[in-house]
Amino acid sequence: ETGVTQSPTHLIKTRGQQVTLRCSSQSGHNTVSWYQQALGQGPQFIFQYYREEENGRGNFPPRFSGLQFPNYSSELNVNALELDDSALYLCASSSGQTYGYTFGSGTRLTVV
Amino acid sequence: QKEVEQDPGPLSVPEGAIVSLNCTYSNSAFQYFMWYRQYSRKGPELLMYTYSSGNKEDGRFTAQVDKSSKYISLFIRDSQPSDSATYLCAMSAPYNQGGKLIFGQGTELSVKP
Repeated sequence: ETGVTQSPTHLIKTRGQQVTLRCSSQSGHNTVSWYQQALGQGPQFIFQYYREEENGRGNFPPRFSGLQFPNYSSELNVNALELDDSALYLCASSSGQTYGYTFGSGTRLTVV
Repeated sequence: QKEVEQDPGPLSVPEGAIVSLNCTYSNSAFQYFMWYRQYSRKGPELLMYTYSSGNKEDGRFTAQVDKSSKYISLFIRDSQPSDSATYLCAMSAPYNQGGKLIFGQGTELSVKP
């Protein structure tokens, strides 16, 4: 059984650019969530997908968007990057239970 | 006011000490209460979860929930240097509020040999 894998592990982008982060869910998990974790803070909920449909969204602007694919892998897209978007982006998958999320190691995004 | 408040520390203790980590929350609709451990450059790892008020024990770890006071705790007995990490409390919103996890800020713990 594999865990949650995220790619890339690190990324440096310039302000105004666009970025796509990828996540492979744990085997058997049909729900995926994305979180943003700024340095020294707890993770903040961005959105969640269940069976390819968004079913929850946090307080993030529309330039944060996502997709979930039939194999339950997922993407997080961020347009018009801002300096404050610099953070660790975490993907978490679950088979449906809110206490059963497995997190990936994250993608560290730096916007310069 | 944040929905979940957690003292960020840092907290430094000698090996073998009992560690107490705490969070308070404001939303009485929260359903599950979780503790995650996060090592540097890694994602959070679920340590324990509870649903109701009371205590739940797993080895050296005890999770305590007091819903009347909106207060949760994690106790670590016989702390080890390998316990050095950031500990995050998290709570799950009910499905009609998005079912998301809401995290505290995290407490950085250092256990000195």
